[in-house]
Amino acid sequence: DADVTQTPRNRITKTGKRIMLECSQTKGHDRMYWYRQDPGLGLRLIYYSFDVKDINKGEISDGYSVSRQAQAKFSLSLESAIPNQTALYFCATGGRGYGDNEQFFGPGTRLTVL
Amino acid sequence: QKEVEQNSGPLSVPEGAIASLNCTYSDRGSQSFFWYRQYSGKSPELIMFIYSNGDKEDGRFTAQLNKASQYVSLLIRDSQPSDSATYLCAVRGGKLIFGQGTELSVKP
Repeated sequence: DADVTQTPRNRITKTGKRIMLECSQTKGHDRMYWYRQDPGLGLRLIYYSFDVKDINKGEISDGYSVSRQAQAKFSLSLESAIPNQTALYFCATGGRGYGDNEQFFGPGTRLTVL
Repeated sequence: QKEVEQNSGPLSVPEGAIASLNCTYSDRGSQSFFWYRQYSGKSPELIMFIYSNGDKEDGRFTAQLNKASQYVSLLIRDSQPSDSATYLCAVRGGKLIFGQGTELSVKP
C-alpha cells in the first residue's frame, strides 16, 4: 500500500462548489503539506502543519482552508471553487527526525473547476 | 526575481551524454538544497540533497553547490532515456521553495 494517499485522484467541479481533498499517510510523520502545481510555476505551498495543533499558511493560502484531523490525516478545502484553482494538488509528508529535509509526496489530485 | 529559478527547458541530450541542470536562488541564508525528479503524471521523488559547498556524487548523479554564487546544479552522467523527466530544484531557508522545474529529454 502507498505511504501517502490522496482522494479523490481526479475531480471535476463547477464554480462556487465546495470541494474537499483528503490526504492520509502511514509513514508516521508529524509534518504534512499541501502544494499545488501549475505548468511553468512549479510547486507552490498552500498550507503546512507540523503537528495536529499547528497549522500554517503557505505561499498561496487565499481561497483555501485546511484541517488536521489526526497525525495521519490532513484535508484541504476549497470553500467556493473558482476556475483558476484548476491545478494538480499534492499532499506531502516529512519526518521531524529528518530535520524536515526529504518530503514524500502523494500521487496527486487533478482538480478541474469549470 | 523568483526565489528559486531554473532553466525552463526543455533540455534535450543524446543517450550517453552528460545532462547539466542549473538552479539559482535568492535567499543567501538558505541551508539545504534538493533535487527532485518528476516523471510525467507522477509525483516528485527526491534524488539528491546537498548542504555543503562542493560536489556530492551518488551513482550517475552529481550535485554541485556554490553558496557564494547562490547556485546549485545537477549533473547526470551517461544519460539514459529513463532519465527523461522534469527535475525540480528545491531550496530550504525558512521554508522549502521549489523552482519551476526543467524538463529533460534523453534521446536514444
